[in-house]
Amino acid sequence: DIQMTQSPYTLSASVGDRVTITCRASQSISRWLAWYQQKPGTAPKLLIYEASTLESGVPSRFSGSGSGTEFTLTISSLQPDDFATYYCQQYNSYWTFGQGTKVEIK
Amino acid sequence: QVQLQESGPGLVKPSQNLSLTCSVSGGSIGRGSYYWSWIRQPAGKRPEWIGRVYISGSTDYNPSLKSRVTISIDTSKNQFSLRLSSLTAADTAIYYCARLGSSISKPGAFDIWGPGTLVTVSS
Repeated sequence: DIQMTQSPYTLSASVGDRVTITCRASQSISRWLAWYQQKPGTAPKLLIYEASTLESGVPSRFSGSGSGTEFTLTISSLQPDDFATYYCQQYNSYWTFGQGTKVEIK
Repeated sequence: QVQLQESGPGLVKPSQNLSLTCSVSGGSIGRGSYYWSWIRQPAGKRPEWIGRVYISGSTDYNPSLKSRVTISIDTSKNQFSLRLSSLTAADTAIYYCARLGSSISKPGAFDIWGPGTLVTVSS
């Protein structure tokens, strides 16, 4: 199994802040990584796939980078709608998710 | 606009089997190069991929669940289904169906999800 580890577990930030979440894979996954946003009581929503390709309709303040074993999700200027839990997910070998990063209001 | 909707029992007794159906609307399940997948998420935990099916009927399953899982597809009804056997309390979770991209479109990413259905395993 490929294990996915995100950091931090929780992030406290203010509207307008630049926010970065890191995801590490237990072995190289090339660029086979996606990012999701999940709000309480709803299904995850795809933000980014292939490490850096923005899903249609997702605001450009979201961006992804990385390859191999280390990846980042960046929100350039945090908006009120962005307070949520974010998951990374690999698809190099089956599909596994990170444990999630909760972005909270500071 | 393709939409997915899960249906099935919300409460299942231990040792019994679970059957869930995902109905696809707004597009044909048999068109396009997509896979159709099931994912579950226990309360407060990360999502867990269960398995996927293609329009041909070919399947792949999470190795940790493979012995208990069957996923099938019915293109005439625009539906696909999940059967999970020998349930225990550890199977209590929200179960989602989702569309999974292929090599030519959003490879490996789940781009459309159903709202999810809570399944509780309890006597």
